[in-house]
Amino acid sequence: QKEVEQDPGPLSVPEGAIVSLNCTYSNSAFQYFMWYRQYSRKGPELLMYTYSSGNKEDGRFTAQVDKSSKYISLFIRDSQPSDSATYLCAMTATLGNNRLAFGKGNQVVVIP
Amino acid sequence: EPEVTQTPSHQVTQMGQEVILRCVPISNHLYFYWYRQILGQKVEFLVSFYNNEISEKSEIFDDQFSVERPDGSNFTLKIRSTKLEDSAMYFCASSFPEGLQAYNEQFFGPGTRLTVL
Repeated sequence: QKEVEQDPGPLSVPEGAIVSLNCTYSNSAFQYFMWYRQYSRKGPELLMYTYSSGNKEDGRFTAQVDKSSKYISLFIRDSQPSDSATYLCAMTATLGNNRLAFGKGNQVVVIP
Repeated sequence: EPEVTQTPSHQVTQMGQEVILRCVPISNHLYFYWYRQILGQKVEFLVSFYNNEISEKSEIFDDQFSVERPDGSNFTLKIRSTKLEDSAMYFCASSFPEGLQAYNEQFFGPGTRLTVL
C-alpha cells in the first residue's frame, strides 16, 4: 500500500462551488497533515496544516483529519478562479527534520 | 518577504555528466531539504540537512548524490553521473525550528528543471 494516496484526477468546478479534496495514508506515525498549493512553475506553498485529528478552518478553507480512518480532506468554499492550482496533501511524523510525504496532487480549475 | 531561490531554473545535461543544483535558503533557517518531482509523479523526499550534516536520506539518495553547504548561504545538490531517470524538477526547501510543539513550515523554492539527454 502506498504511503500517501491522492486521486490525481483534475477537477473543474464553476466559480462559487465547493471543492472537496482528500487523501488517505497508511503510516500510523504521521501526526502533522498539510495541504500545499502549487501554481504552475512555482514550488509548493503551505496552505494549511493540522496536528492530529480534528478540523481547522482558515477563511474559505477547511482541513479535516480523521486519524482513525487515515483520511484527510480539504474543502474550499465559494471557490474563486484564483484558487485554480494544484493541491498537494503532505504529512510527516516528527518535528525537526521532518521528511514530508506527499500525495500526487489534484489540479483544480475554477471556471468563472 | 524572504524566499528560497534556486538556480538555474532549467538545466540540460548529457547522460553521465555531473550537475550541481544551487539553492539559497531563507537566511535564518536551519534545516534544509531537497525534493524531486518526476513529471506526473509525486514530490519525493531526497535528503534533509542540519548542522552541516545529513539528517535523513531516502533510498533515492544513493552514492551518485551529495549535498553541501559550502559557504553558509548556499545549499547545493550534486549528481555525479546523471542518468535519464534523473530528469525531474528538483525543489529545495528550508525551515526554522519553531519549538517543540509547533510544525516548522518548509518553504519551497521555485525548482530547477533538470533534463538529462
